[in-house]
Amino acid sequence: TQLLEQSPQFLSIQEGENLTVYCNSSSVFSSLQWYRQEPGEGPVLLVTVVTGGEVKKLKRLTFQFGDARKDSSLHITAAQPGDTGLYLCAGPLTGNQFYFGTGTSLTVIP
Amino acid sequence: TAGITQAPTSQILAAGRSMTLRCTQDMRHNAMYWYRQDLGLGLRLIHYSNTAGTTGKGEVPDGYSVSRANTDDFPLTLASAVPSQTSVYFCASRRTENTEAFFGQGTRLTVV
Repeated sequence: TQLLEQSPQFLSIQEGENLTVYCNSSSVFSSLQWYRQEPGEGPVLLVTVVTGGEVKKLKRLTFQFGDARKDSSLHITAAQPGDTGLYLCAGPLTGNQFYFGTGTSLTVIP
Repeated sequence: TAGITQAPTSQILAAGRSMTLRCTQDMRHNAMYWYRQDLGLGLRLIHYSNTAGTTGKGEVPDGYSVSRANTDDFPLTLASAVPSQTSVYFCASRRTENTEAFFGQGTRLTVV
């Protein structure tokens, strides 16, 4: 079992729909990050959240860090085919260990 | 172009053979990491290093070893490969906690 569990694992939606991806842990994180990965590439950072309860918006993407700093969510409004990809949450634990979540594979159908 | 370079990009390896995956960064980041990614989903931490001369175990360290002789290089060695080590391996680095992790292009390893 990985430290950061994401749900759902797979998501296929129509263009224009909204969606939410969840990232949960039993551990407390000082910060959480969200990455997006394209096939054949390494993950690329989308956002970092550092304060419990923090909400950050990046165009149509809204990120929230849970009050207890054990969970986070990513909400996409009016999804577009260009949003297709693998979404990963990640966070540091003691000793600078940096863990990634189980991943959510998103497909947006035109 | 600054960043992380991994080599080789892909490899087919006979079971029981040893292999070293190379990782070099030119950003002078202190922390470096090795991950494996199976089935195109989440990344699992194998080993990490906070600074040159120190290493630590991640979630799935068995069958792998690392060294960090200097800031730039962080090789991953499989002493005796097994088919379950078939995966895509990513090397990453970060400057400090809460900063962005930068990744190499990955090494696709198939153990037969």
